[in-house]
This record gives sequence, C-alpha cells and structure tokens, in this order.
Amino acid sequence: DVQMTQSPSTLSASIGDRVIITCRAGQTINKWLAWYQQKPGKPPNLLIYEASNLQSGVPSRFSGSGTGTEFTLTISSLQPEDFATYYCQQYNSYPYTFGQGTKLEIK
Amino acid sequence: QVQVVESGGGVVQPETSLKLSCAASGFTLSNYAMHWVRQAPGKGLEWVAVVSYGERNKYHAESLKGRFTISRDNSKNIVFLQMNSLRPEDTAVYFCARARDFGAYSNDAFDIWGQGTLVTVSS
Repeated sequence: DVQMTQSPSTLSASIGDRVIITCRAGQTINKWLAWYQQKPGKPPNLLIYEASNLQSGVPSRFSGSGTGTEFTLTISSLQPEDFATYYCQQYNSYPYTFGQGTKLEIK
Repeated sequence: QVQVVESGGGVVQPETSLKLSCAASGFTLSNYAMHWVRQAPGKGLEWVAVVSYGERNKYHAESLKGRFTISRDNSKNIVFLQMNSLRPEDTAVYFCARARDFGAYSNDAFDIWGQGTLVTVSS
C-alpha cells in the first residue's frame, strides 16, 4: 500500500493568513492526488484533483501543486469557513489511501 | 440534484452481518464507478472498496480479508456493501462516493459523497 503522510497534523492560523499543507507519498503516484475538506459531521468535499486541478465550485483561494511524491495544498487567504480538516488521497493504485489529516484551527 | 444516500447502518453484535445500500439520484449510476469509504469515530478516512460501472471490476481493501463485498444493481440505481463477520473495529460511518469521471474505474477522485451511515458493532 502507498503510505500518505501529511504535515502538519494540526495548524493554527488566522483569518487572512496564507497556509500550506504538505502531503508526501511513500512511492511515486504521478499526478494522481486529491485534496478534500471535511467539517465535523459532514462528508468530505473534493477541492483539488490530479494534484492541481480545482474542482468546480471550489473557491480560487485553494490551489494544489506537486507531482511524484511531494504535494502541497495552499489556501491563499484564510476565510472563516476554511477551518476544517484536510485530507490528501492517492488514487494512483489500489488500495487508494488517505493521509492522516490536517486539522486547521483558528489561532 | 446529483446525490447519493446511504442506508442500512445500525447497532449489531460481533460476528453478525449487515448490508449497506447507496441510492443514487440525479445522475445515471451505470456510467460511474462507485466506492465505499469509512471513518471510525474521531479518526481519518479509510478506503474500503470500488466497483466499476458495469460491475466487471471490483477491488476491496486487503485488511477486510474477504469479509466485505461490494456490488451494484444499475437497474435500481443502488450500490451495496455486504459486511460479514463484523468486528468492533468495523465501527464507523460508511460513506458511498462517486468517481468523478464518466466510465473511469481507476485514477479518479471522488466528487459526490453521501452523508454516511453509522455502523456500530458492539455486544
């Protein structure tokens, strides 16, 4: 299985901050990486697919980059609704695997 | 409205069985691969299984050791997850999710998720 490691596990930030979350794959996954946002009691919501493509309806302050084994999710200017948990997911090969999550908290 | 709705969860005893359903609406289920993902209380996401749009291809997480089986009935727009020999560690919210691309079995993210159904395995 491809191990996905996110950092940091918890991130404290303020409204308007630029934040970056990193995801590292245990082996190359090419561009097959997605980012999801999850709020308590809700299902995950797809933000980014194929490492850098913005899902329809997702605000442009979210962006993704990377290829191979190193990937990042950037939120350019934090909004109140962005405080949530973020997961990366590799879908290069089965079994698909998720990172452990990054909880974004209000500072 | 494009959506999927899970049902069939509940409280069951260890070593019993449960069958979850995922009903699709607003899109043609038969055009999409479908997945199950679970989330134990307070924990992260764990991918469970996938079935291709025509049910020709399936893949299950190795950790489930043959206890879980995914299937689908395109004529009824429903995907199933049969869970046997349930264990306390199977306690989780089970989500159904759609592969983003028409016809894709692999190399695809999940764009439509249901609200999930809670399965609790306890004596």
